[in-house]
Amino acid sequence: EAQVTQNPRYLITVTGKKLTVTCSQNMNHEYMSWYRQDPGLGLRQIYYSMNVEVTDKGDVPEGYKVSRKEKRNFPLILESPSPNQTSLYFCASSFVVGSANEKLFFGSGTQLSVL
Amino acid sequence: DAKTTQPTSMDCAEGRAANLPCNHSTISGNEYVYWYRQIHSQGPQYIIHGLKNNETNEMASLIITEDRKSSTLILPHATLRDTAVYYCIVRGYNFNKFYFGSGTKLNVKP
Repeated sequence: EAQVTQNPRYLITVTGKKLTVTCSQNMNHEYMSWYRQDPGLGLRQIYYSMNVEVTDKGDVPEGYKVSRKEKRNFPLILESPSPNQTSLYFCASSFVVGSANEKLFFGSGTQLSVL
Repeated sequence: DAKTTQPTSMDCAEGRAANLPCNHSTISGNEYVYWYRQIHSQGPQYIIHGLKNNETNEMASLIITEDRKSSTLILPHATLRDTAVYYCIVRGYNFNKFYFGSGTKLNVKP
């Protein structure tokens, strides 16, 4: 089944403790992206990647890192999490070939709480 | 990419058609109109997209006006499971960015 898989689904951590949220897709998509969703603010893009070893900042990249060493994986790294990073996170992917004519597939989300 | 404007919420009776409007008056010629929905806190789910022509699939129909400045998503026979937030998005030359906005909360009532 074609899907974007995020782990974990729920995560509670403390301020300053490094964490990684994993994202994997099995559709051979070149493009992958991370979003955070907060009440009243919709989905905001954190980082995106056009292909392996190619990443760029979205609208709210501060406090986050990403890497794209393999085509299927795009982990989100919080080196020193803070309470304002408590949010619902989504990973998404799509093909690049058709550019704007390619639909975006989303993972099920990761609810992160930083105490 | 062009931004979109949608009503904050709408109600629809179960079994009736739900017509969700979207305004994208600054859309440019190469930008597609996409519709997604999000049920509770699940990941957004793709519904349909189009460029100029009206589109239909197993989930919904998309009607785009001739000047492309607005569109309507039609769920022909809404069910309680269609209660969700519906997002209208335009995606174009800067296709690596998807701007979701706040969407329309559709409440399907028995």
